[in-house]
Amino acid sequence: KQEVTQIPAALSVPEGENLVLNCSFTDSAIYNLQWFRQDPGKGLTSLLLIQSSQREQTSGRLNASLDKSSGRSTLYIAASQPGDSATYLCAVSGQGAQKLVFGQGTRLTINP
Amino acid sequence: DAGITQSPRHKVTETGTPVTLRCHQTENHRYMYWYRQDPGHGLRLIHYSYGVKDTDKGEVSDGYSVSRSKTEDFLLTLESATSSQTSVYFCAISLSGGADSPLHFGNGTRLTVT
Repeated sequence: KQEVTQIPAALSVPEGENLVLNCSFTDSAIYNLQWFRQDPGKGLTSLLLIQSSQREQTSGRLNASLDKSSGRSTLYIAASQPGDSATYLCAVSGQGAQKLVFGQGTRLTINP
Repeated sequence: DAGITQSPRHKVTETGTPVTLRCHQTENHRYMYWYRQDPGHGLRLIHYSYGVKDTDKGEVSDGYSVSRSKTEDFLLTLESATSSQTSVYFCAISLSGGADSPLHFGNGTRLTVT
């Protein structure tokens, strides 16, 4: 059974810092990996999707990498801003139908 | 919100009553999903649909049923609500269910079973 772990559970950094969020998974036979952000009381917003054949994806200040063999992904946030404060979740999908298995998330706080 | 509307947004119900949650999409996406989110468990898949009248179970399907009679609507029914079904329920959609098709989520329904 696939298990997804995100460490740390919470992270607080000053504005302007570059930071890395970590995600690990136990079964390397994945279809894709997705990163989401969730604001309090809201749904999840898709940030980046990395297909199993890809190594990384970039969107603005965000860069996500994928190393299937080691069962790891990282989300790099450059020049962090208070508006980046949210919970970040990673999720992996096994073969077909996008049945995602989620980590429990990292709650990120960017201090002005 | 990627054209996803969940209703109701909040509901309080009593143990033993049936409850139906609705997810409506305007994107004409083929795949639709119901997840629940609970502290300590994260998000878990309840049921999903890969087309009209085509549904399948997820990880935590016991006590839930679903129906999809139109592309745009996916209903989640709690046959007889229990306190353990108190949770936040999220609907999600995916264009193709393929590896290059991200999931888009609605804003959730907060259900409290007393």
